[in-house]
Amino acid sequence: SQTIHQWPATLVQPVGSPLSLECTVEGTSNPNLYWYRQAAGRGLQLLFYSVGIGQISSEVPQNLSASRPQDRQFILSSKKLLLSDSGFYLCAWSRLDPFSYNEQFFGPGTRLTVL
Amino acid sequence: EDQVTQSPEALRLQEGESSSLNCSYTVSGLRGLFWYRQDPGKGPEFLFTLYSAGEEKEKERLKATLTKKESFLHITAPKPEDSATYLCAVLPGTYKYIFGTGTRLKVLA
Repeated sequence: SQTIHQWPATLVQPVGSPLSLECTVEGTSNPNLYWYRQAAGRGLQLLFYSVGIGQISSEVPQNLSASRPQDRQFILSSKKLLLSDSGFYLCAWSRLDPFSYNEQFFGPGTRLTVL
Repeated sequence: EDQVTQSPEALRLQEGESSSLNCSYTVSGLRGLFWYRQDPGKGPEFLFTLYSAGEEKEKERLKATLTKKESFLHITAPKPEDSATYLCAVLPGTYKYIFGTGTRLKVLA
């Protein structure tokens, strides 16, 4: 069965500090990978998605970046955090099939607080 | 523009009081409509996928239905452990999922 991991689970960082969040998927190959941010009481905002190693699509212009150095590894980074970067960050994967299996599965999330 | 709207934003039910959550969508095409359950501080948990109008899926006290413009998540005789935020999402194209803002459900004992 497939499993998705995220770490760290919680993070408190000062404004201006760098950020690195990691996501790994087990039990599948060639997954589509996604980073979302969820503000308190709001929906999921798509930040980045990747359909293959080194292929990153950005949805929202901001000070965040993403990388996919390996097939099942997705990293979210920032050089200098802003207060507005606080939120709940979710990694997800999907495996698009022309006939079925289009579901997206989520990791446990990382709670980021920028002070 | 592809859009998903969920209603109500919040719902309080007494234990055993059945109700329905609504997810209306406007998309150029539909490769799937998805329901998730999210508990506080956790990632969304996948519940159902619906692909075509008229389709229905059931799991315990939950039943999801789909029409050409909306989906309903019916909750029959809910229990306090059903309390959570329920998210609806659609896949109109190849990779990007569009999410609604969710319905916060509270079931009182």
